[in-house]
Amino acid sequence: GDSVTQMEGPVTLSEEACLTINCTYTATGYPSLFWYVQYPGEGLQLLLKATKADDKGSNKGFEATYRKETTSFHLEKGSVQVSDSAVYFCALSESAGANSKLTFGKGITLSVRP
Amino acid sequence: DTGVSQDPRHKITKRGQNVTFRCDPISEHNRLYWYRQTLGQGPEFLTYFQNEAQLEKSRLLSDRFSAERPKGSFSTLEIQRTEQGDSAMYLCASSDETGIWNQPQHFGDGTRLSIL
Repeated sequence: GDSVTQMEGPVTLSEEACLTINCTYTATGYPSLFWYVQYPGEGLQLLLKATKADDKGSNKGFEATYRKETTSFHLEKGSVQVSDSAVYFCALSESAGANSKLTFGKGITLSVRP
Repeated sequence: DTGVSQDPRHKITKRGQNVTFRCDPISEHNRLYWYRQTLGQGPEFLTYFQNEAQLEKSRLLSDRFSAERPKGSFSTLEIQRTEQGDSAMYLCASSDETGIWNQPQHFGDGTRLSIL
């Protein structure tokens, strides 16, 4: 079945440091890929998405590129802020039209210190 | 705010009791999903509806669980004879699946269930 693997956490960075959170996936078809973020005390929010190979999703300074050859969707940001402290989930869903349920990774907690 | 709304936010109950949660999706979203999230894990799919039809249920959804979406609007998730292992955050999400690409799912804040 489908699965998503995220790097182990937690991750602690200083403000303005570079961030990379690794995500790899296993899927039978051609999934869409997502990063969701959960800020303290809030619900899951979509951060960015990519629907096909080589697509780059971006939002709030975060980027992730859909790499079919390495089955990866790593999340990157050049300069993190304290306000980026949150839990980040990588997820995939299979083709639209069928059940587009999300399969999530375990999530990783990012803490950014001033 | 017209986001996904879940009620209650917290539910504490004794083992063996029945509980029911409600989810109000974003207006006119035709798909509604239920997920369960335990501590330190990502959300896991439970079931989903296309309008009023329940189209798939995960093996995680035992016979004690039942979900409905009458009239294709709000949805309820009922757990009968609750067990300690049912303690989790129950998340609802909705999406508007009308195109060829997967549309993002919008999540509610969840209902946290604690079984004593």
